[in-house]
Amino acid sequence: NAGVTQTPKFRVLKTGQSMTLLCAQDMNHEYMYWYRQDPGMGLRLIHYSVGEGTTAKGEVPDGYNVSRLKKQNFLLGLESAAPSQTSVYFCASRVAGTRNSPLHFGNGTRLTVT
Amino acid sequence: AQSVAQPEDQVNVAEGNPLTVKCTYSVSGNPYLFWYVQYPNRGLQFLLKYITGDNLVKGSYGFEAEFNKSQTSFHLKKPSALVSDSALYFCAVRVTGTASKLTFGTGTRLQVTL
Repeated sequence: NAGVTQTPKFRVLKTGQSMTLLCAQDMNHEYMYWYRQDPGMGLRLIHYSVGEGTTAKGEVPDGYNVSRLKKQNFLLGLESAAPSQTSVYFCASRVAGTRNSPLHFGNGTRLTVT
Repeated sequence: AQSVAQPEDQVNVAEGNPLTVKCTYSVSGNPYLFWYVQYPNRGLQFLLKYITGDNLVKGSYGFEAEFNKSQTSFHLKKPSALVSDSALYFCAVRVTGTASKLTFGTGTRLQVTL
């Protein structure tokens, strides 16, 4: 049971380049989330999805887009990367139906934008 | 708006001594409170949660947390620290009625030394 898998693990981009981060979960979870982690700021929610075909904005959505075409996958896109998007990105998922179900996290993607 | 505060960036404890990692919260409704731990180069792992009921919650790896409604606090505790407990700890809150949003604190680094 792999849980939540993020690819790639590391990436370096130049300003203006685009890329897509992939998150896959094999737990049949309905809810999926993208967070970014920056020193001294904790985790901030970028976008989330409560089911296949639906997405919503979190706290810091600007500069990012997402898609949830399949229940098990949640993609995070950067159309034109900026140095301010240098961060560690975490995907998480959880089961729906109860508000107290814990989040299951992937191991993160470290992105550097130069 | 909901928020959590972790007032200490770092907590230093000698192995075998008790440890406390502090968390206070601010919400307008009933809070669901969580603690997560992050080891180097890994995603966050769920430790424990408070929903309702007993104010002392027991979780994984011998950790427990005390909920105090009057002080709006949810401090993480362990009676006897281990060097292997050294990690980054995050407090988080989810408010009832907002099932999809979890707000994290900025994290506290726990360093346990021999």
